[in-house]
Amino acid sequence: EAQVTQNPRYLITVTGKKLTVTCSQNMNHEYMSWYRQDPGLGLRQIYYSMNVEVTDKGDVPEGYKVSRKEKRNFPLILESPSPNQTSLYFCASSSTAGGINEQYFGPGTRLTVT
Amino acid sequence: KNQVEQSPQSLIILEGKNCTLQCNYTVSPFSNLRWYKQDTGRGPVSLTIMTFSENTKSNGRYTATLDADTKQSSLHITASQLSDSASYICVVSSIMEYGNKLVFGAGTILRVKS
Repeated sequence: EAQVTQNPRYLITVTGKKLTVTCSQNMNHEYMSWYRQDPGLGLRQIYYSMNVEVTDKGDVPEGYKVSRKEKRNFPLILESPSPNQTSLYFCASSSTAGGINEQYFGPGTRLTVT
Repeated sequence: KNQVEQSPQSLIILEGKNCTLQCNYTVSPFSNLRWYKQDTGRGPVSLTIMTFSENTKSNGRYTATLDADTKQSSLHITASQLSDSASYICVVSSIMEYGNKLVFGAGTILRVKS
């Protein structure tokens, strides 16, 4: 089954404790992206990746890092989480960044930073 | 500034009734417009994708319209079902140097009750 998976689905952590949220897709997609979703706001892009070893900042990259060492994986790293990073996070992938390619979303990771 | 505004913020309808959700955007340059359905606790799932030249597109009981001149779109749901209860997100894709960038609306929360 074609899908985007994220782990963990739920995470409660404390300020400053480094964490990684994993994202994996099995569709051989080139383009992958991370979003955060907060109440009353639309999804906002954190980082995106056009292909292996090619990443770039989205609209809200502060406090986040990513890497793309393999095509299927795109982990999101919070080196020193803060309470304002409490949010619902989605990973997404599509075959390429352009055109009308379908973007597939993962199930989401709900992060709480205390 | 690229923006997508949706109305109403929330809506309650009786099962079997029709409803229409609105989307206005200022995104430029325009590539395509998408409607997503997001069930509580899940990632968004695509309903329709429309390009500049398309002014209507259906997916079962969902019909989306696009007026590129006035920069407005609507999503009409016919004969609503309890399973239609979800958030509906309008997303406009803008042409960028690297590909397309998605600009998300905040969504309309629809509740269908029996």
